[in-house]
Amino acid sequence: EIVLTQSPGTLSLSPGERATLSCRASQSVSSSYLAWYQQKPGQAPRLLIYGASSRATGIPDRFSGSGSGTDFTLTISRLEPEDFAVYYCQQYGSSIFTFGPGTKVDIK
Amino acid sequence: EVQLVESGGGLVQPGGSLRLSCAASGFTFSSYEMNWVRQAPGKGLEWVSYISSSGSTIYYADSVKGRFTISRDNAKNSLYLQMNSLRAEDTAVYYCARVMATPDYYYYYMDVWGKGTTVTVSS
Repeated sequence: EIVLTQSPGTLSLSPGERATLSCRASQSVSSSYLAWYQQKPGQAPRLLIYGASSRATGIPDRFSGSGSGTDFTLTISRLEPEDFAVYYCQQYGSSIFTFGPGTKVDIK
Repeated sequence: EVQLVESGGGLVQPGGSLRLSCAASGFTFSSYEMNWVRQAPGKGLEWVSYISSSGSTIYYADSVKGRFTISRDNAKNSLYLQMNSLRAEDTAVYYCARVMATPDYYYYYMDVWGKGTTVTVSS
């Protein structure tokens, strides 16, 4: 079973700064099946990125995804106040969906 | 508007049972695969179970295998999760999520989520 590790656990940044979130898989995953979600307190997760680098409908272009194999990155180019949240990566393979433990982006 | 609405959560004693429902609207439910995903208090997301569009293919996480049963009624646009032999560690918010698969299965992800229903297992 593939295990996803996200780092850092918490990222403390100021609005306007750049956020770089990492997702590492225990073995190679298909980029086509790698997604990123945003979750705010008390809310359901929201799809941000699918296929490792494709933005979901309505997602601002300050969000971008990259990577392949075992290393994937979510970048937020300039943090807006509404971007402070928890971010999860997720992959599908071998009939199993797996989430990473999440990275919390909070206000410095 | 595309929407998923979960219901059926509540307080149940250890060893008890509960049936969750997820009502879909705004899209052709019978054309989509579906997932249940849960989130324990203060914890991350955990995938629970998957069902294909026809209901013929089903997968479970090891943590619920043999205790939970996923099903769907395409005529009623509804997804279900029958939970038996509940344990304290099943306490969580349970979300249903639509699986988006491109025709060639090149992309595969969860694009629509409900707001969730809370299950508390406690004596």
